Amino acid sequence: QVQLVESGGHLVRPEGSLRLSCAASGFIFSDYYMTWIRQAPGKGLEWVSYIGSSGSDIHYADSVKGRFTISRDNAKSSLYLQMNSLRAEDTAVYYCARPADNNGGSYFDHWGQGTLVTVSS
Amino acid sequence: QPVLTQPPSSSASLGESARLTCTLPRDINVGNVNIYWYQQKPGSPPKYLLYYYSDSDKGQGSGVPSRFSGSKDASANTGILLISGLQSDDEADYYCMIWPSNAVAFGGGTKLTVL
Repeated sequence: QVQLVESGGHLVRPEGSLRLSCAASGFIFSDYYMTWIRQAPGKGLEWVSYIGSSGSDIHYADSVKGRFTISRDNAKSSLYLQMNSLRAEDTAVYYCARPADNNGGSYFDHWGQGTLVTVSS
Repeated sequence: QPVLTQPPSSSASLGESARLTCTLPRDINVGNVNIYWYQQKPGSPPKYLLYYYSDSDKGQGSGVPSRFSGSKDASANTGILLISGLQSDDEADYYCMIWPSNAVAFGGGTKLTVL
């Protein structure tokens, strides 16, 4: 079965950096777009970034553009999010999610359990 | 990114129906996009419910009962999630989503209370 397991979240100081990982299994990772979505405590869902199956076709939300970098290693079935210049408003649970269709543009039918990033001094 | 507008809260009685709305910005025609709906309960990731494009192009998530349905109101540029025969287990947060091109957008979510 499809599994997505995020890791790497923890407490970091403002202006600090963090790298999140998402280990995928149960499907052909290299066939699918992948995305990061976050949810601040008590708030709604916010799309962060997505990456195409080959590592191209990368897009970011305006709120993270220039600070976050999404990448993937298809050989390791892993998705990453490098987060720099972190701000308090980046505090959230970060989910990796897989769209149902391998071309993107579809709903997310599989989500990880999330990893909590807390930005605070 | 597009901004999708959902009422923050809604309530309806057990056994009745709830109509949750998702209004798109003026520069995106609701008739041209799939509207996706998710349900989220505390401490869990969102669960995909269904998508609606038109009456002839729609889809239900795996195991999602037919009392969850989608529609659109073109005059209001709005997507609609209708939940009929409300059950206590339907009390949750509901999010709409679109993925029209180079960005994904979620609505702010509606917290549904079942009275």
